[in-house]
Amino acid sequence: NAGVTQTPKFQVLKTGQSMTLQCAQDMNHEYMSWYRQDPGMGLRLIHYSVGAGITDQGEVPNGYNVSRSTTEDFPLRLLSAAPSQTSVYFCASNTPYNEQFFGPGTRLTVL
Amino acid sequence: TQLLKQSPQFLSIQEGENLTVYCNSSSVFSSLQWYRQEPGEGPVLLVTVVTGGEVKKLKRLTFQFGDARKDSSLHITAAQPGDTGLYLCAGGVDGSARQLTFGSGTQLTVLP
Repeated sequence: NAGVTQTPKFQVLKTGQSMTLQCAQDMNHEYMSWYRQDPGMGLRLIHYSVGAGITDQGEVPNGYNVSRSTTEDFPLRLLSAAPSQTSVYFCASNTPYNEQFFGPGTRLTVL
Repeated sequence: TQLLKQSPQFLSIQEGENLTVYCNSSSVFSSLQWYRQEPGEGPVLLVTVVTGGEVKKLKRLTFQFGDARKDSSLHITAAQPGDTGLYLCAGGVDGSARQLTFGSGTQLTVLP
């Protein structure tokens, strides 16, 4: 099993560009989440999903969209990138007991 | 928003020493998890504690959940360089991902 995979590993964008961060899991978990990690801020929840077709906002959802068409995939879309979105992004799938299994992360720089 | 404060923020020790890191909150959590994160990787779950006063051991690591379920500690005995990493605690109120709050972490460096 690959667990949780994320692509790309690194990305540089210019302000105003859009892109999609890909996330896939093969653990058959219903729950999936997107976090961003910034120095001194810990991990902050962006969006989460409790199953295919169901998504909800987390702590810092502005500027990001998600969709969940299958159990396996949970892409994160940046609509119009801003320098404040420079961060490391982690996708996680989690058990019903909220135990998180994280992907390797995407390091995003917005110029 | 529940806040989890971890201390110390940074810790550098020699191989073989013991250490304790703390995770404190004014809120009650139904469960608390500890993760370790190495540079360039995602956090990896170490343990989940759910009962007040619970103690769990994972080799040289001992985790304790406070009686009031507001705080937790991680004790490492005879630290090794392989223990180096960012230790994160995360508190859950219920099963929803929305209610999982992460602390800002303790960066541990174990020098050989």
